[in-house]
Amino acid sequence: DTEVTQTPKHLVMGMTNKKSLKCEQHMGHRAMYWYKQKAKKPPELMFVYSYEKLSINESVPSRFSPECPNSSLLNLHLHALQPEDSALYLCASSQVYAVVNTEAFFGQGTRLTVV
Amino acid sequence: TQLLEQSPQFLSIQEGENLTVYCNSSSVFSSLQWYRQEPGEGPVLLVTVVTGGEVKKLKRLTFQFGDARKDSSLHITAAQPGDTGLYLCALKGAQKLVFGQGTRLTINP
Repeated sequence: DTEVTQTPKHLVMGMTNKKSLKCEQHMGHRAMYWYKQKAKKPPELMFVYSYEKLSINESVPSRFSPECPNSSLLNLHLHALQPEDSALYLCASSQVYAVVNTEAFFGQGTRLTVV
Repeated sequence: TQLLEQSPQFLSIQEGENLTVYCNSSSVFSSLQWYRQEPGEGPVLLVTVVTGGEVKKLKRLTFQFGDARKDSSLHITAAQPGDTGLYLCALKGAQKLVFGQGTRLTINP
């Protein structure tokens, strides 16, 4: 199983809503990532979790709140988002992150639209 | 400042043609990865290059890592419509995977 599963695939939310994105992997990976991808742009790193602890926050606004409840799950809690936050949100996982040849496996993403 | 510069950013060619896309930086890499992202999907790893001067082949795709480990290229021979996608080079650091701007490739039948 080399899958990273993200739910939901599509999400439309209002600016006052609270929602969560979910990501799951069963490859035994201990590094998990959230990326944001705007149209026609590359993925931009938001957060990195290593051994279920937040190791990198790329100066992401606090309206995005990540959570890693266990080694297989990664959540991204959303609150009071703005229309400019509309994007494809990608989750990825990899083996111990210090290994040079480590492959990152990506989910299909959640297409988020904030109205 | 973008750590990884990719060129061209957009490329549209006819089926059967050859093409090369480039990934450059002013920094030396310990390793570099190439990913392909198709519409509606997440990026998928194509190759990792580690050694300066290294050449790796994946069917019609040839990847080269510069001798100084500051640049890389991807050459596609006899491009097919199925090669259409966003090609991303990526720097695999100790804790991060950071992408270049990407080359959006369209192969027209």
